[in-house]
Amino acid sequence: AQSVTQLGSHVSVSEGALVLLRCNYSSSVPPYLFWYVQYPNQGLQLLLKYTSAATLVKGINGFEAEFKKSETSFHLTKPSAHMSDAAEYFCAVMSNAGNMLTFGGGTRLMVKP
Amino acid sequence: EAGVAQSPRYKIIEKRQSVAFWCNPISGHATLYWYQQILGQGPKLLIQFQNNGVVDDSQLPKDRFSAERLKGVDSTLKIQPAKLEDSAVYLCASSLGGRGAYNEQFFGPGTRLTVL
Repeated sequence: AQSVTQLGSHVSVSEGALVLLRCNYSSSVPPYLFWYVQYPNQGLQLLLKYTSAATLVKGINGFEAEFKKSETSFHLTKPSAHMSDAAEYFCAVMSNAGNMLTFGGGTRLMVKP
Repeated sequence: EAGVAQSPRYKIIEKRQSVAFWCNPISGHATLYWYQQILGQGPKLLIQFQNNGVVDDSQLPKDRFSAERLKGVDSTLKIQPAKLEDSAVYLCASSLGGRGAYNEQFFGPGTRLTVL
Protein backbone atom coordinates (compact mmCIF):
# COMPACT_ATOMS: atom_id res chain seq x y z
CA ALA A 1 0.00 0.00 0.00
CA GLN A 2 1.16 3.52 -0.65
CA SER A 3 0.36 6.75 1.15
CA VAL A 4 1.32 10.40 1.24
CA THR A 5 1.61 12.76 4.20
CA GLN A 6 1.75 16.51 3.73
CA LEU A 7 2.96 18.28 6.84
CA GLY A 8 1.09 21.51 7.45
CA SER A 9 -2.38 22.00 6.06
CA HIS A 10 -1.74 25.76 5.86
CA VAL A 11 1.50 27.58 5.07
CA SER A 12 1.82 31.36 5.01
CA VAL A 13 4.78 33.22 3.50
CA SER A 14 5.50 36.79 2.55
CA GLU A 15 5.83 37.77 -1.09
CA GLY A 16 9.42 37.21 -2.16
CA ALA A 17 10.14 34.67 0.58
CA LEU A 18 11.11 31.04 0.13
CA VAL A 19 8.26 28.57 -0.31
CA LEU A 20 8.72 25.10 1.23
CA LEU A 21 5.86 22.59 1.15
CA ARG A 22 6.59 19.22 2.72
CA CYS A 23 5.65 15.79 1.41
CA ASN A 24 6.60 12.37 2.74
CA TYR A 25 5.55 9.16 1.08
CA SER A 26 5.25 5.52 1.90
CA SER A 27 5.56 2.96 -0.85
CA SER A 28 6.66 -0.65 -0.99
CA VAL A 29 8.12 -0.19 -4.47
CA PRO A 30 10.03 2.66 -6.07
CA PRO A 31 7.39 5.30 -6.62
CA TYR A 32 6.54 7.97 -9.08
CA LEU A 33 5.81 11.26 -7.29
CA PHE A 34 3.82 14.28 -8.35
CA TRP A 35 2.93 17.77 -7.22
CA TYR A 36 -0.33 19.31 -8.36
CA VAL A 37 -1.69 22.82 -7.82
CA GLN A 38 -5.38 23.67 -7.48
CA TYR A 39 -6.62 27.24 -7.81
CA PRO A 40 -10.05 28.13 -6.41
CA ASN A 41 -12.91 26.53 -8.32
CA GLN A 42 -10.55 24.85 -10.75
CA GLY A 43 -9.27 21.35 -11.35
CA LEU A 44 -5.78 20.13 -10.56
CA GLN A 45 -2.83 21.15 -12.70
CA LEU A 46 0.41 19.20 -12.80
CA LEU A 47 3.38 21.19 -11.47
CA LEU A 48 6.07 18.54 -11.77
CA LYS A 49 6.74 14.83 -11.49
CA TYR A 50 9.55 12.50 -10.43
CA THR A 51 10.06 9.45 -12.62
CA SER A 52 13.52 8.31 -11.42
CA ALA A 53 15.39 10.12 -14.20
CA ALA A 54 16.81 12.81 -11.89
CA THR A 55 16.36 13.47 -8.18
CA LEU A 56 15.96 17.23 -8.63
CA VAL A 57 12.91 17.97 -10.71
CA LYS A 58 12.03 21.36 -12.15
CA GLY A 59 8.45 22.24 -12.88
CA ILE A 60 6.32 25.11 -14.07
CA ASN A 61 6.09 28.56 -12.47
CA GLY A 62 9.58 28.31 -10.93
CA PHE A 63 8.81 25.38 -8.64
CA GLU A 64 11.14 22.45 -8.07
CA ALA A 65 11.21 19.36 -5.87
CA GLU A 66 13.94 17.00 -4.73
CA PHE A 67 13.43 13.27 -4.30
CA LYS A 68 15.28 11.97 -1.22
CA LYS A 69 14.93 8.22 -0.91
CA SER A 70 16.67 8.04 2.47
CA GLU A 71 14.14 10.48 3.91
CA THR A 72 11.18 9.24 1.81
CA SER A 73 10.52 12.87 1.00
CA PHE A 74 9.63 14.95 -2.03
CA HIS A 75 9.41 18.53 -0.75
CA LEU A 76 8.32 21.34 -3.07
CA THR A 77 10.24 24.62 -3.11
CA LYS A 78 10.27 27.97 -4.85
CA PRO A 79 12.95 30.58 -4.11
CA SER A 80 10.65 33.60 -4.20
CA ALA A 81 6.89 33.52 -3.61
CA HIS A 82 4.54 35.51 -5.80
CA MET A 83 1.00 36.52 -4.97
CA SER A 84 -0.24 34.33 -7.82
CA ASP A 85 1.20 31.25 -6.07
CA ALA A 86 -1.60 31.33 -3.50
CA ALA A 87 -3.44 28.05 -4.02
CA GLU A 88 -3.81 24.51 -2.69
CA TYR A 89 -0.96 22.11 -3.40
CA PHE A 90 -1.24 18.34 -3.46
CA CYS A 91 1.48 15.73 -3.39
CA ALA A 92 0.64 12.36 -4.94
CA VAL A 93 2.29 8.98 -5.34
CA MET A 94 1.88 6.35 -8.03
CA SER A 95 3.41 2.91 -7.99
CA ASN A 96 5.46 2.03 -11.05
CA ALA A 97 3.24 -1.01 -11.49
CA GLY A 98 0.12 0.93 -12.27
CA ASN A 99 -1.40 4.33 -12.88
CA MET A 100 -3.46 4.93 -9.76
CA LEU A 101 -2.68 8.18 -7.95
CA THR A 102 -2.88 8.44 -4.15
CA PHE A 103 -3.05 12.02 -2.94
CA GLY A 104 -2.02 13.68 0.27
CA GLY A 105 -4.38 15.91 2.20
CA GLY A 106 -3.14 19.10 0.60
CA THR A 107 -1.42 22.28 1.80
CA ARG A 108 -2.99 25.67 1.34
CA LEU A 109 -0.35 28.27 0.54
CA MET A 110 -1.11 31.87 1.46
CA VAL A 111 1.12 34.69 0.24
CA LYS A 112 1.15 37.95 2.17
CA PRO A 113 1.99 41.23 0.46
CA GLU B 1 -6.64 21.56 -27.36
CA ALA B 2 -9.87 21.49 -25.37
CA GLY B 3 -9.58 20.29 -21.81
CA VAL B 4 -11.74 17.96 -19.75
CA ALA B 5 -15.30 19.29 -19.60
CA GLN B 6 -17.65 18.72 -16.70
CA SER B 7 -21.23 19.74 -16.00
CA PRO B 8 -22.92 21.01 -14.03
CA ARG B 9 -20.36 23.09 -12.13
CA TYR B 10 -22.54 23.35 -9.06
CA LYS B 11 -25.44 21.31 -7.74
CA ILE B 12 -27.51 21.58 -4.58
CA ILE B 13 -29.89 18.78 -3.66
CA GLU B 14 -31.64 17.44 -0.60
CA LYS B 15 -30.66 14.14 0.97
CA ARG B 16 -32.27 11.06 -0.58
CA GLN B 17 -32.53 12.82 -3.96
CA SER B 18 -30.67 11.62 -7.03
CA VAL B 19 -28.02 13.49 -8.99
CA ALA B 20 -25.92 12.90 -12.08
CA PHE B 21 -22.66 14.41 -13.26
CA TRP B 22 -21.32 14.42 -16.79
CA CYS B 23 -17.74 14.37 -18.04
CA ASN B 24 -16.30 14.71 -21.53
CA PRO B 25 -12.59 13.79 -21.62
CA ILE B 26 -9.90 15.13 -23.88
CA SER B 27 -10.31 13.75 -27.38
CA GLY B 28 -8.37 10.53 -27.86
CA HIS B 29 -7.90 9.80 -24.17
CA ALA B 30 -8.68 6.18 -23.48
CA THR B 31 -8.61 6.33 -19.69
CA LEU B 32 -11.14 8.25 -17.63
CA TYR B 33 -11.17 8.71 -13.85
CA TRP B 34 -13.73 9.98 -11.34
CA TYR B 35 -12.44 11.37 -8.05
CA GLN B 36 -14.25 12.58 -4.93
CA GLN B 37 -12.66 15.51 -3.12
CA ILE B 38 -14.17 16.24 0.29
CA LEU B 39 -13.47 19.71 1.66
CA GLY B 40 -10.03 19.85 3.24
CA GLN B 41 -8.89 16.52 1.80
CA GLY B 42 -7.07 15.30 -1.26
CA PRO B 43 -8.94 13.68 -4.16
CA LYS B 44 -9.87 10.02 -3.75
CA LEU B 45 -10.29 7.79 -6.79
CA LEU B 46 -13.80 6.40 -7.16
CA ILE B 47 -13.61 4.62 -10.49
CA GLN B 48 -11.29 4.25 -13.47
CA PHE B 49 -12.34 3.33 -17.01
CA GLN B 50 -10.17 2.09 -19.86
CA ASN B 51 -12.26 2.80 -22.97
CA ASN B 52 -15.70 1.55 -21.90
CA GLY B 53 -14.48 -1.05 -19.40
CA VAL B 54 -14.00 -0.62 -15.65
CA VAL B 55 -10.39 -1.01 -14.50
CA ASP B 56 -10.82 -0.17 -10.81
CA ASP B 57 -13.96 0.60 -8.82
CA SER B 58 -12.80 -0.70 -5.45
CA GLN B 59 -13.51 2.60 -3.69
CA LEU B 60 -16.89 3.27 -5.30
CA PRO B 61 -19.82 2.93 -2.82
CA LYS B 62 -21.77 0.69 -5.12
CA ASP B 63 -24.93 0.72 -3.04
CA ARG B 64 -25.55 4.32 -4.07
CA PHE B 65 -22.97 5.32 -6.70
CA SER B 66 -22.89 4.16 -10.30
CA ALA B 67 -20.90 5.22 -13.33
CA GLU B 68 -20.88 4.38 -16.98
CA ARG B 69 -18.92 5.14 -20.11
CA LEU B 70 -21.00 3.40 -22.70
CA LYS B 71 -19.28 4.47 -25.93
CA GLY B 72 -15.82 4.84 -24.44
CA VAL B 73 -15.91 8.63 -24.64
CA ASP B 74 -17.98 10.68 -22.20
CA SER B 75 -19.07 9.39 -18.83
CA THR B 76 -21.82 9.85 -16.25
CA LEU B 77 -21.51 9.44 -12.48
CA LYS B 78 -24.76 9.03 -10.56
CA ILE B 79 -25.63 9.09 -6.88
CA GLN B 80 -28.94 7.60 -5.80
CA PRO B 81 -29.96 8.33 -3.09
CA ALA B 82 -27.62 11.06 -1.89
CA LYS B 83 -26.45 11.36 1.71
CA LEU B 84 -25.12 14.39 3.57
CA GLU B 85 -21.60 12.93 3.50
CA ASP B 86 -21.64 12.94 -0.31
CA SER B 87 -21.14 16.72 -0.28
CA ALA B 88 -17.86 17.15 -2.12
CA VAL B 89 -16.28 18.19 -5.39
CA TYR B 90 -16.40 15.46 -8.01
CA LEU B 91 -13.44 15.65 -10.35
CA CYS B 92 -13.13 13.95 -13.69
CA ALA B 93 -9.72 13.31 -15.24
CA SER B 94 -8.51 11.66 -18.42
CA SER B 95 -5.26 10.30 -19.78
CA LEU B 96 -4.01 8.72 -22.97
CA GLY B 97 -3.87 5.31 -21.34
CA GLY B 98 -1.29 2.76 -20.40
CA ARG B 99 0.74 2.58 -17.22
CA GLY B 100 3.27 4.68 -15.43
CA ALA B 101 4.08 8.28 -14.70
CA TYR B 102 4.19 9.27 -18.35
CA ASN B 103 0.45 8.64 -18.49
CA GLU B 104 -0.35 12.15 -17.24
CA GLN B 105 -3.84 12.76 -15.93
CA PHE B 106 -5.59 15.97 -16.96
CA PHE B 107 -8.31 17.21 -14.64
CA GLY B 108 -11.59 18.97 -15.31
CA PRO B 109 -12.86 21.89 -13.17
CA GLY B 110 -15.08 19.63 -11.07
CA THR B 111 -18.71 19.62 -9.96
CA ARG B 112 -19.35 20.94 -6.47
CA LEU B 113 -22.20 18.98 -4.86
CA THR B 114 -23.97 20.20 -1.74
CA VAL B 115 -26.40 17.83 -0.06
CA LEU B 116 -28.77 19.49 2.41
